Amino acid sequence: DAKTTQPPSMDCAEGRAANLPCNHSTISGNEYVYWYRQIHSQGPQYIIHGLKNNETNEMASLIITEDRKSSTLILPHATLRDTAVYYCIARDVNDYKLSFGAGTTVTVRA
Amino acid sequence: EAGVAQSPRYKIIEKRQSVAFWCNPISGHATLYWYQQILGQGPKLLIQFQNNGVVDDSQLPKDRFSAERLKGVDSTLKIQPAKLEDSAVYLCASSPHHGQPQHFGDGTRLSIL
Repeated sequence: DAKTTQPPSMDCAEGRAANLPCNHSTISGNEYVYWYRQIHSQGPQYIIHGLKNNETNEMASLIITEDRKSSTLILPHATLRDTAVYYCIARDVNDYKLSFGAGTTVTVRA
Repeated sequence: EAGVAQSPRYKIIEKRQSVAFWCNPISGHATLYWYQQILGQGPKLLIQFQNNGVVDDSQLPKDRFSAERLKGVDSTLKIQPAKLEDSAVYLCASSPHHGQPQHFGDGTRLSIL
């Protein structure tokens, strides 16, 4: 799987949009971009995934650049409960493995 | 729907003892995964089952770790004998089928003294 690069940490203000970047410059055409998050003392939670097109669900939006070398996860209105470690993962369509890196620790501040 | 259930939530044992963890996946999910998460790191896949068959156990330390999913539903992960470096959170995940998003339980936190 392609290696992803994320900033180790970021802060955002409650009620504002949180934009989480992920770099995956070596991603192949067969690799999805997946986002998970892990709240303290809980298991990882699936957020969203995409291949080429932008995606939106009830939790977040995923913006993938046209060259697919980077993506941004957008939490539209961050709340204190969104404080977590966010993982960006590139996963091959023919593979089942999720290879977690260190992720981004996001702290939402009141 | 009920989520992935794991027990126990916490376990403390001494090195060289044995321990077992239990996982009940989401109903109807054919694929089940066990991950190990060492403090400060992301989860690492240990083993994947498709129904009751092993798909991948290449990262499982087979000299001490074993796992089974006898009826294609519940699964157990065992460590015997435990080493200090096995201190970690053991996470179980399931998905409807291979390749679909995985849903995780809250894990078992294992401490080795």
